[in-house]
Amino acid sequence: GAVVSQHPSWVICKSGTSVKIECRSLDFQATTMFWYRQFPKQSLMLMATSNEGSKATYEQGVEKDKFLINHASLTLSTLTVTSAHPEDSSFYICSASRREGIEQYFGPGTRLTVT
Amino acid sequence: KNQVEQSPQSLIILEGKNCTLQCNYTVSPFSNLRWYKQDTGRGPVSLTIMTFSENTKSNGRYTATLDADTKQSSLHITASQLSDSASYICVVSTQTGANNLFFGTGTRLTVIP
Repeated sequence: GAVVSQHPSWVICKSGTSVKIECRSLDFQATTMFWYRQFPKQSLMLMATSNEGSKATYEQGVEKDKFLINHASLTLSTLTVTSAHPEDSSFYICSASRREGIEQYFGPGTRLTVT
Repeated sequence: KNQVEQSPQSLIILEGKNCTLQCNYTVSPFSNLRWYKQDTGRGPVSLTIMTFSENTKSNGRYTATLDADTKQSSLHITASQLSDSASYICVVSTQTGANNLFFGTGTRLTVIP
């Protein structure tokens, strides 16, 4: 149990366009979902935390208008990178946790390349 | 400042050999410490989670230790296999919930035949 999926697994887009990444908890209800970004040879950096039905809480330095997060249901969260630029190219990973759980279950990640 | 430091940054070992990865942290308050395995281009997968009162925990060929007094942890891999090649990330949490995780930069392990 506790499987998290992401779609797409990789995406290439042109500069200035928007890209949506989906994160789904397949076999449990995720009351909280997390979005991370990981640059090559670096560790995961938390971008935002979202609770189902509430606005996401963004980490310092993360532009909320650029990285739109929606957590509309207990099994789905989406991250939309708006007006993407080459510097947004990165590996985006989501994770999900159950209510009162301590474990974060990570998705397989989405490789975004902005040309 | 809450920090998690791992050593070595990278390690190459022969298949079948054992190895130990280190994690030092200054995170406070301490709730639990986790070790994750991250294959290239994939999300992290949990290996162990240890709370303050646990000194050691095993998961197959992986054994993690925790010394909460010295704020150190280690991950020992026994009889390494080629599939163990990955990044191993030490993560410390300050709360009992799933939030507030502090990530180490990881140790890149390469197992060669």
